[in-house]
Amino acid sequence: KQEVTQIPAALSVPEGENLVLNCSFTDSAIYNLQWFRQDPGKGLTSLLLIQSSQREQTSGRLNASLDKSSGRSTLYIAASQPGDSATYLCAVGETSGSRLTFGEGTQLTVNP
Amino acid sequence: EPEVTQTPSHQVTQMGQEVILRCVPISNHLYFYWYRQILGQKVEFLVSFYNNEISEKSEIFDDQFSVERPDGSNFTLKIRSTKLEDSAMYFCASKERSISYEQYFGPGTRLTVT
Repeated sequence: KQEVTQIPAALSVPEGENLVLNCSFTDSAIYNLQWFRQDPGKGLTSLLLIQSSQREQTSGRLNASLDKSSGRSTLYIAASQPGDSATYLCAVGETSGSRLTFGEGTQLTVNP
Repeated sequence: EPEVTQTPSHQVTQMGQEVILRCVPISNHLYFYWYRQILGQKVEFLVSFYNNEISEKSEIFDDQFSVERPDGSNFTLKIRSTKLEDSAMYFCASKERSISYEQYFGPGTRLTVT
């Protein structure tokens, strides 16, 4: 059974800092990996999708990498801003229909 | 920009009652999903739906749950006889195509069972 783990559980940084969020998964037979942002009491906003054949994806200040063989993904956030404060979730798609298996999330606080 | 919508945003019901949660997926999407998130816990997959039938379901999705796409736009989750442990945020998601596409999530329905 696929298990997804995110480290750290919480992170507090000053504005402007570059940071890395980590995600690991136990079964490397995945189709894709998706990073989401969740604001308190809200839905999930998709940030990036990486296919299993890809190494990384970039969107603005966000860069996500995938190392399928080692079961790891990282989300790099450059020049963090207070508006980046949210919980970041990693989810792996295991089948072509891609049910997603989620990690617990990293709660990020960016202090002005 | 197209988005997934869900109604109601919050539903309070008594134990044993039936509830129907409604979702309108993005219009050209073909794959539909329900997930739930119990407060303080991970988001959990419930069921996926494609081509007018369930394509996959989790162990959570027992006989008390059912899904339906009654028309070309709505996608519903029914819980027949709610239990206290069904209290959670329920998210609907949709996806345009198979592997290469992102799942887009709705804002969720908070279900409170008393």
